[in-house]
Amino acid sequence: KAGVTQTPRYLIKTRGQQVTLSCSPISGHRSVSWYQQTPGQGLQFLFEYFSETQRNKGNFPGRFSGRQFSNSRSEMNVSTLELGDSALYLCASSLRSGLAGAKGPETQYFGPGTRLLVL
Amino acid sequence: DQQVKQNSPSLSVQEGRISILNCDYTNSMFDYFLWYKKYPAEGPTFLISISSIKDKNEDGRFTVFLNKSAKHLSLHIVPSQPGDSAVYFCAASHMEYGNKLVFGAGTILRVKS
Repeated sequence: KAGVTQTPRYLIKTRGQQVTLSCSPISGHRSVSWYQQTPGQGLQFLFEYFSETQRNKGNFPGRFSGRQFSNSRSEMNVSTLELGDSALYLCASSLRSGLAGAKGPETQYFGPGTRLLVL
Repeated sequence: DQQVKQNSPSLSVQEGRISILNCDYTNSMFDYFLWYKKYPAEGPTFLISISSIKDKNEDGRFTVFLNKSAKHLSLHIVPSQPGDSAVYFCAASHMEYGNKLVFGAGTILRVKS
């Protein structure tokens, strides 16, 4: 079974530009979450999508947005890029949204990430 | 405000010995805890988890211990192997968070042969 794929793997942008990152979840998985990893910080949750609906959102400005398509593929967009947006962006897929059950979060499978450099 | 803290940026252990990675949390609402392992150029891989109703969970060489009163958990790897060398992330969640995980900054484990 193919794992989570993310494209592109590397990206260089300049301040003020916008960027769109793509994530294809494991086949059959309907939940996609996005995380940002910066040096010295852990992974910080951006948002989760399930059945094309945003289920959960982290503490990021509105410049960060996302969407999910009917085939569960997800994209995240960052507008008006800032130098501080340079990071590794990871997506994770799971079968269901954790809110669907009471046993805790679903096991999430991470992709290799997209490394974004903002100059 | 870092709700999940891994205070040791790195740990070096001899092959065959025990590795102990520590994690502290501040939010008493957290009721589920996980450990992820990450190799360079790869995404994090789920390792082991524990619910707050338990104080220990074992899976092969990996054991996670939870001390709720101290808001502390630890991951024990016995015996440590060179292939265990990676970054280990502690993460926490709450039932109401759904799939949202709050991660620590990670600990780099080096297992020397």
